[in-house]
Amino acid sequence: GAVVSQHPSWVICKSGTSVKIECRSLDFQATTMFWYRQFPKQSLMLMATSNEGSKATYEQGVEKDKFLINHASLTLSTLTVTSAHPEDSSFYICSANKQGPGTDTQYFGPGTRLTVL
Amino acid sequence: AQSVTQLGSHVSVSEGALVLLRCNYSSSVPPYLFWYVQYPNQGLQLLLKYTSAATLVKGINGFEAEFKKSETSFHLTKPSAHMSDAAEYFCAVSERGYNKLIFGAGTRLAVHP
Repeated sequence: GAVVSQHPSWVICKSGTSVKIECRSLDFQATTMFWYRQFPKQSLMLMATSNEGSKATYEQGVEKDKFLINHASLTLSTLTVTSAHPEDSSFYICSANKQGPGTDTQYFGPGTRLTVL
Repeated sequence: AQSVTQLGSHVSVSEGALVLLRCNYSSSVPPYLFWYVQYPNQGLQLLLKYTSAATLVKGINGFEAEFKKSETSFHLTKPSAHMSDAAEYFCAVSERGYNKLIFGAGTRLAVHP
């Protein structure tokens, strides 16, 4: 168990458009979901933490109006990159914590590669 | 503040040789420690974790890691490397009771015949 999916796996968009990325926990309910950004050959940088039904907590330097996070249910969180620009091109990865035993472990999705032209 | 240092951004070993990937952490309280593996264009897969039980932790794919409080280390080892072990490995730390993970910079493991 503990499978996390992301959709889409890759997306190409024009500058100025908005892109929505979905993160779903398929076989468990997630207490918390996390969004990371990874540049080529670099580590993961936490962007924000979201809990179902409440506002996301953004890390320092992350624009909350640019990266909109909605955590609609215990199995779904979405990240919307608004008015995307080429510098937003990156690999976006979500993760989720299980409720109950094992809440200390984050399970990661396969990632979404965003390319902004 | 917590931090993680992975010594060696690139490690190259021969197939069948010992794998040793180093991780040192900084934390004001006993942390939880994790090793994740990432294959190209994929998400992260949990290899193993330390959350206060036995200090020697065994994970998947033959990997293990030992928590050494005196050295603030959590090095990852595997007795015999396989070609399929070639990947990026990340060490991460979180504070007990909090879920936020702090990642190291990563170590790229290459395995050659």
